Amino acid sequence: KNEVEQSPQNLTAQEGEFITINCSYSVGISALHWLQQHPGGGIVSLFMLSSGKKKHGRLIATINIQEKHSSLHITASHPRDSAVYICAVSGGSQGNLIFGKGTKLSVKP
Amino acid sequence: ETGVTQTPRHLVMGMTNKKSLKCEQHLGHNAMYWYKQSAKKPLELMFVYNFKEQTENNSVPSRFSPECPNSSHLFLHLHTLQPEDSALYLCASSQEPTGWAGADTQYFGPGTRLTVL
Repeated sequence: KNEVEQSPQNLTAQEGEFITINCSYSVGISALHWLQQHPGGGIVSLFMLSSGKKKHGRLIATINIQEKHSSLHITASHPRDSAVYICAVSGGSQGNLIFGKGTKLSVKP
Repeated sequence: ETGVTQTPRHLVMGMTNKKSLKCEQHLGHNAMYWYKQSAKKPLELMFVYNFKEQTENNSVPSRFSPECPNSSHLFLHLHTLQPEDSALYLCASSQEPTGWAGADTQYFGPGTRLTVL
């Protein structure tokens, strides 16, 4: 079992829908990261959080340290949001980033 | 544009070739990383450099050899690779190493798509 689990693995939505991607982890962490990877490979860091909630534009990230769970929400989704969203945690036995397998999001017009 | 560049973007090589991947960061960061991303698998950390010193070698085969001549440049030298080494190789940097001492955002390059024939 991976130390970082994401769900769903694949997600298809219609433009305008509210989207939620979940991340659960099993190790102690110092922070959790949400990353976005577009086709072609480039990865962009969206959020780094260790408690509570952060918001940037239409993106909202929340984390519950007690439950070891985080969610990434996208409001009013748009086709340009289509990408793979990756959850990663700083921590574990060596302190380096540990990655989930990613959630592939496809937003249809 | 994240401030981290990688060259080449695509590379096809035979199993007997020797090639090098280059990464350069223009952010003044102290830590640099090599990651491997294979299909259907999470990103795997390969190497970590902190102030030009290698601090992590995540059980990577010796056919991958990293080099960090200064805090802005990172190379990954490749020799006698196997077809299963075909993957996307990503470089990243952060102000300080990500880990227990604190969490730092990592900035990723666009990656090198490597195909080993």
